[in-house]
This record gives sequence, C-alpha cells and structure tokens, in this order.
Amino acid sequence: EAGVVQSPRYKIIEKKQPVAFWCNPISGHNTLYWYLQNLGQGPELLIRYENEEAVDDSQLPKDRFSAERLKGVDSTLKIQPAELGDSAVYLCASSLRSQSGEQFFGPGTRLTVL
Amino acid sequence: GESVGLHLPTLSVQEGDNSIINCAYSNSASDYFIWYKQESGKGPQFIIDIRSNMDKRQGQRVTVLLNKTVKHLSLQIAATQPGDSAVYFCAENIRGQNFVFGPGTRLSVLP
Repeated sequence: EAGVVQSPRYKIIEKKQPVAFWCNPISGHNTLYWYLQNLGQGPELLIRYENEEAVDDSQLPKDRFSAERLKGVDSTLKIQPAELGDSAVYLCASSLRSQSGEQFFGPGTRLTVL
Repeated sequence: GESVGLHLPTLSVQEGDNSIINCAYSNSASDYFIWYKQESGKGPQFIIDIRSNMDKRQGQRVTVLLNKTVKHLSLQIAATQPGDSAVYFCAENIRGQNFVFGPGTRLSVLP
C-alpha cells in the first residue's frame, strides 16, 4: 500500500515568491493534516480537513497561507508571498478516523527561503 | 495552557540496553497520548498510544507508561537496536482537539 505522497521534496525560493506543496493521502483516509516542522521541534498543525472541508484552520496564517482539498482527496498548500521565516519542513499526514492518534505522515517538503 | 516537553533533548544508549525516553505535560485535562518516531529525512511514524484511563500499554519491544499524578509519560524501548536511532516525540490531546507535539528527544544507539 502506498503511503502519503508529497511533492516536491525540496524547494528553494527567494523571499516574496509564491510556493505550493502537494499532498496525496493514503487511499480511503478522509482526514488530512498539514503540519509545519521547524528544525529540532515537533510538528505544529496548520490545518485539518475532513473530506473537502477545512474543520480547523485556526493556526493557518491566512494573510499569506492558503490550502485547498477540492475533491476530498489530494491537497495543496500555498504560501504567497514567502518570507524568510517560512523556511521549514511542511508535513502532510492522513488518518482513517478524525483526530486519530495514528496519523500517517508523508516525507515532507523542505522549504528554504533565501 | 497546553504544554508538552521532554526532560532530555538527547539520549545515548548502548546497543542491547533498554532506553527510556521521558515526557512531561502540564495540562491535567489531557486524555490521550501518543509517541512518534522520526528518522532523518522522513516523516514521523506512529509507535504507540495510551489513553488516560490506562497507566501502561505494551507493544512490540516498546512500553508506554503514564503517571497522571505527576503528569509524566515515558517510552521504554527494550533491547535497543541501531534502527531505533531517531528523534522521538510525545504528543497530547485534550478531548478530541488537535494533538500538541513536544520538542523531541534524539536517541543515539552506540555500537
């Protein structure tokens, strides 16, 4: 069974440029999460989807971040414009049940903003 | 507010020894806890979970202990192997809200 797929794995951009990350969750997993992970720290939730509905986006900086999951399957996370402080690993995870502790994480996208 | 932390940021153990990774939490309302393992360049991987109505749960080579009196969680790994080298995160959940991850402990297994 394929795991959570994310692309790209690495992205280097200059500040003020836009960037987008893509995630394809495990088939059948209705819940999808986007996390931000800074170096040496644990993941921090940005947004959680139940099917195509964003049920918790309270931690998403909405002035520059946006996300969508139009058909309730794959999802994109966008930053526009990127800032130096956005450099981090962006992790996508999915779970079979809502708010399950057993979340399956993708490998992440490492973003470097110069 | 919610707070999850770890006593030690790094832990080195001899191969074959048992490892104990600790985690402290501050919110007595937390009722669900999980441990994740993250290897370099990979996403976190679920290890084991425990609910607040339990004080011990065992998996394959791992045991999680929960002490609600002192708000302490630990992960014990038996017969530590080189493949156990990773960063370990605990996370807490309060009544179905989002999980809050701690900062992590790096486990290094010495040959």
